[in-house]
Amino acid sequence: AQSVTQPDIHITVSEGASLELRCNYSYGATPYLFWYVQSPGQGLQLLLKYFSGDTLVQGIKGFEAEFKRSQSSFNLRKPSVHWSDAAEYFCAVGILAGNKLTFGGGTRVLVKP
Amino acid sequence: DAGVTQSPTHLIKTRGQQVTLRCSPKSGHDTVSWYQQALGQGPQFIFQYYEEEERQRGNFPDRFSGHQFPNYSSELNVNALLLGDSALYLCASSGPTGSSGNTIYFGEGSWLTVV
Repeated sequence: AQSVTQPDIHITVSEGASLELRCNYSYGATPYLFWYVQSPGQGLQLLLKYFSGDTLVQGIKGFEAEFKRSQSSFNLRKPSVHWSDAAEYFCAVGILAGNKLTFGGGTRVLVKP
Repeated sequence: DAGVTQSPTHLIKTRGQQVTLRCSPKSGHDTVSWYQQALGQGPQFIFQYYEEEERQRGNFPDRFSGHQFPNYSSELNVNALLLGDSALYLCASSGPTGSSGNTIYFGEGSWLTVV
């Protein structure tokens, strides 16, 4: 069965600084990869997804993620963080399109002024 | 284009009671999945419905059941509620494989508190 690890439970970053959130997955083949963001009390909003092709994917709100097969990683990055980026971020993997997702435990991002 | 809609948004139930949560998928989507998200954790897959049948199921007891209607909307039923069932219940929808519906979209969730 696939699994997802987000090693960082909390990350604090200053506004304007860069942000990188780590995600490692375990699966024998290339899975479908997603990053979602969840603001307090809200549902999940899709930031970006990787199915195939270019390993650097662009998402909404200025986020990007890079798929590295050799490292089984799909790290999320943003060059300059805004206060509104404070939220919880979840990495997820799926085996088949539209199939069930397995989520990591999430990383809570705090943004300092 | 309405996204995934869920109701109710919040509800409080007593231990031992039963609850029904409802979900309407995004337009054009035919597959509905349900997830449970306990406080401070990532969502956990409960089950998935396609063509009115349960297609996959996660590691949840039979107290959790569901239904999908011909219009693709879905219900999640939980019987004999336990305190540990208190969580955010998320509905997700996706479209036919191979189309832009590959992406899985989530609703805002239903907050269930069991007292």
